[in-house]
Amino acid sequence: TQLLEQSPQFLSIQEGENLTVYCNSSSVFSSLQWYRQEPGEGPVLLVTVVTGGEVKKLKRLTFQFGDARKDSSLHITAAQPGDTGLYLCAGGRIQGAQKLVFGQGTRLTINP
Amino acid sequence: NAGVTQTPKFQVLKTGQSMTLQCAQDMNHEYMSWYRQDPGMGLRLIHYSVGAGITDQGEVPNGYNVSRSTTEDFPLRLLSAAPSQTSVYFCASRTHLSSYEQYFGPGTRLTVT
Repeated sequence: TQLLEQSPQFLSIQEGENLTVYCNSSSVFSSLQWYRQEPGEGPVLLVTVVTGGEVKKLKRLTFQFGDARKDSSLHITAAQPGDTGLYLCAGGRIQGAQKLVFGQGTRLTINP
Repeated sequence: NAGVTQTPKFQVLKTGQSMTLQCAQDMNHEYMSWYRQDPGMGLRLIHYSVGAGITDQGEVPNGYNVSRSTTEDFPLRLLSAAPSQTSVYFCASRTHLSSYEQYFGPGTRLTVT
């Protein structure tokens, strides 16, 4: 059973479009992280959100943590080909924060 | 400062063989962990360590052993390889339990035939 469900699993859009990736769970998390992974490399941390309702912006990327700390979203404005990659969300459990739980990932392709 | 390094990058094993995947970090991080990544499954935690001499199991520990004799090194041993262990393996480290920033190595792609 996947504790964190990401949707969509695959997304292919044109350069300049906007998109949103969702990360949902029935469990409450102490923190939620988003990573991006390029082919042949390890994931790289983009952001961590820890407070319910928190919104963080990283250039054209906006991350939001749900009020109940059960879900999160990643919104990209005016997508560029350099945004192409696998996006992973990961939740820190309330008990045992050392054990991160990962979603299955969203493979994003931005076409020029 | 090399960060987290993993060797080998690629490995092919026959069923029943054993091997050790190496992981090292030069950031003096207390916490290290091993994950496997399979298509459509995200990353799943195999084993982790909160410091030298201390290890514990993650979600999918069966078939794997770990030890942590130094802060820098955290090898993962496959005792008797099985085709189900075909995967990409990632080692990661972070400063301490309350630190959110986790650094991943480049991964080892393992195929068991």
